[in-house]
Amino acid sequence: QKEVEQDPGPLSVPEGAIVSLNCTYSNSAFQYFMWYRQYSRKGPELLMYTYSSGNKEDGRFTAQVDKSSKYISLFIRDSQPSDSATYLCAMINNRDDKIIFGKGTRLHILP
Amino acid sequence: SAVISQKPSRDICQRGTSLTIQCQVDSQVTMMFWYRQQPGQSLTLIATANQGSEATYESGFVIDKFPISRPNLTFSTLTVSNMSPEDSSIYLCSVEEQGTAYGYTFGSGTRLTVV
Repeated sequence: QKEVEQDPGPLSVPEGAIVSLNCTYSNSAFQYFMWYRQYSRKGPELLMYTYSSGNKEDGRFTAQVDKSSKYISLFIRDSQPSDSATYLCAMINNRDDKIIFGKGTRLHILP
Repeated sequence: SAVISQKPSRDICQRGTSLTIQCQVDSQVTMMFWYRQQPGQSLTLIATANQGSEATYESGFVIDKFPISRPNLTFSTLTVSNMSPEDSSIYLCSVEEQGTAYGYTFGSGTRLTVV
């Protein structure tokens, strides 16, 4: 079983819809959870990060961590065509500080 | 957050040759990281470059294939040596993002195609 699993998509949704992006993981030592957004021909940019379980909201984006299920989510409300990108989850365990990335989900917001 | 300039942005190279990728940061940073992003694969850490010491390589990556220089606190280079088509990938440098616990800032990447 891979440490971090992420559906590569592509995921296509109409503009204005709520988008749900998810990752599962197997290592219970992961403590920090991040979401990166990567536009075509650009490097990943940090979108949100959370520590341990719970929710964190930033504008139209909400990051959710469920450590009991080893499941993290990123919700995008009122999605816009400019949200079209690849979204990568990433997590760090508190034992060796190594960051592990998911493969990324390609998201298309249809105007 | 730090601004990273990475050059070249893309290149097409002949097999057996080498390519050196440059990474310039607009602020002094202790550690710089080099990643590989292959199609359909996760970002994979190649090595960590510290100024004044040899780079630390991850499992599966060796210095002879990916020599790294770190002459000062704002600059690093990664060389992909004796290239084969399997080295075709995007290579990215990264630094820790200031003000966050574990966030990282990435350059725009170098898209390498080996023919």
